[in-house]
Amino acid sequence: SAVISQKPSRDICQRGTSLTIQCQVDSQVTMMFWYRQQPGQSLTLIATANQGSEATYESGFVIDKFPISRPNLTFSTLTVSNMSPEDSSIYLCSVDLITGVQETQYFGPGTRLLVL
Amino acid sequence: KQEVTQIPAALSVPEGENLVLNCSFTDSAIYNLQWFRQDPGKGLTSLLLIQSSQREQTSGRLNASLDKSSGRSTLYIAASQPGDSATYLCAVSPPGGGNKLTFGTGTQLKVEL
Repeated sequence: SAVISQKPSRDICQRGTSLTIQCQVDSQVTMMFWYRQQPGQSLTLIATANQGSEATYESGFVIDKFPISRPNLTFSTLTVSNMSPEDSSIYLCSVDLITGVQETQYFGPGTRLLVL
Repeated sequence: KQEVTQIPAALSVPEGENLVLNCSFTDSAIYNLQWFRQDPGKGLTSLLLIQSSQREQTSGRLNASLDKSSGRSTLYIAASQPGDSATYLCAVSPPGGGNKLTFGTGTQLKVEL
């Protein structure tokens, strides 16, 4: 299994500012994933963060808005830039671990962001 | 584009009742399907994972079934307890696996005393 922590757990930010969310995993993983969960919606994948290479972004998400760092195999950051109220969401990081033939996804507790 | 739907959106049951949560997906070409539980202020917890070649998985009071050809999965919870109150999400992964999960919007379950 994997234990994932995120900082901050929640924040209230002003429009136009940026927030960096940290994700720490207790084991080394190749890929880390960032999801967004807007109010009343399900989870949507923002990007995949590989160590040593540029993150891969899903349709509708761009690096200028959501820059990602992946300095090592246990840590990643997601920055929400130039925030607007529409960015108010829960942001979750995730990893997948393969044990035997089974691939299981583990999620962090999430960062609840409110943009005023 | 894969779409995942969960019915009902919300459910309230008395303690002890058996219940079924439904999940449907539009593209049957999946690698696996997972059921997650989401508690307020906490992340997602994986409950059961069904590979595309499997029909069901069981863990304690939980049983998940998969009918890939019809694009449906059910999560059966036996003898529900107040501690089961949470949002239940199903998610499917594309062929080849990986973490590009497509999630449903969830079923918010409340088990009352």
